[in-house]
Amino acid sequence: SQQGEEDPQALSIQEGENATMNCSYKTSINNLQWYRQNSGRGLVHLILIRSNEREKHSGRLRVTLDTSKKSSSLLITASRAADTASYFCATYNQGGKLIFGQGTELSVKP
Amino acid sequence: DAMVIQNPRYQVTQFGKPVTLSCSQTLNHNVMYWYQQKSSQAPKLLFHYYDKDFNNEADTPDNFQSRRPNTSFCFLDIRSPGLGDAAMYLCATSNMGGQPQHFGDGTRLSIL
Repeated sequence: SQQGEEDPQALSIQEGENATMNCSYKTSINNLQWYRQNSGRGLVHLILIRSNEREKHSGRLRVTLDTSKKSSSLLITASRAADTASYFCATYNQGGKLIFGQGTELSVKP
Repeated sequence: DAMVIQNPRYQVTQFGKPVTLSCSQTLNHNVMYWYQQKSSQAPKLLFHYYDKDFNNEADTPDNFQSRRPNTSFCFLDIRSPGLGDAAMYLCATSNMGGQPQHFGDGTRLSIL
């Protein structure tokens, strides 16, 4: 299975702290994506990093990709209570199916 | 704003009573997906349409069917819901394969 793994499964931090989530995957990829899911809502695409990129920024988000280790990380800087959500990494397999990691549940306490 | 809309947000049905969930999109995307998501789990792909071409996942139960009458609409039919089918059902679209997906807010299905 190409399903990735994410760690930690759950992360609890104080507002203003940084949050780092890690993702590993198993096969070669064209890109890797990160999604956020607020409780009871759909997933929202956050950022896509291509296989030839090593780092990408979007606002308070920083994503890194290490294709040699088949791993990626998502850093949220200066976290806010509104960042409380589940975060999933995802990659497409050769059959065109988006494979999600198990997700990291982030809780940011005010 | 272009978006993916799912109706209803909450659906309650009885064990064995057929139910239909609907999804519409204003993004004019070629690909539409249906996912099942259970508590604290990642979404699980049930099937997807690439334009009119239907692609069923091997482990999707026969109880689940889908229709896409036009580009904008897609339906999920559950013929005889069992207790194990209680879940959040998510619809998503993408412009083509390999691109980010846009999700609706889901329909939470409860089975009595």
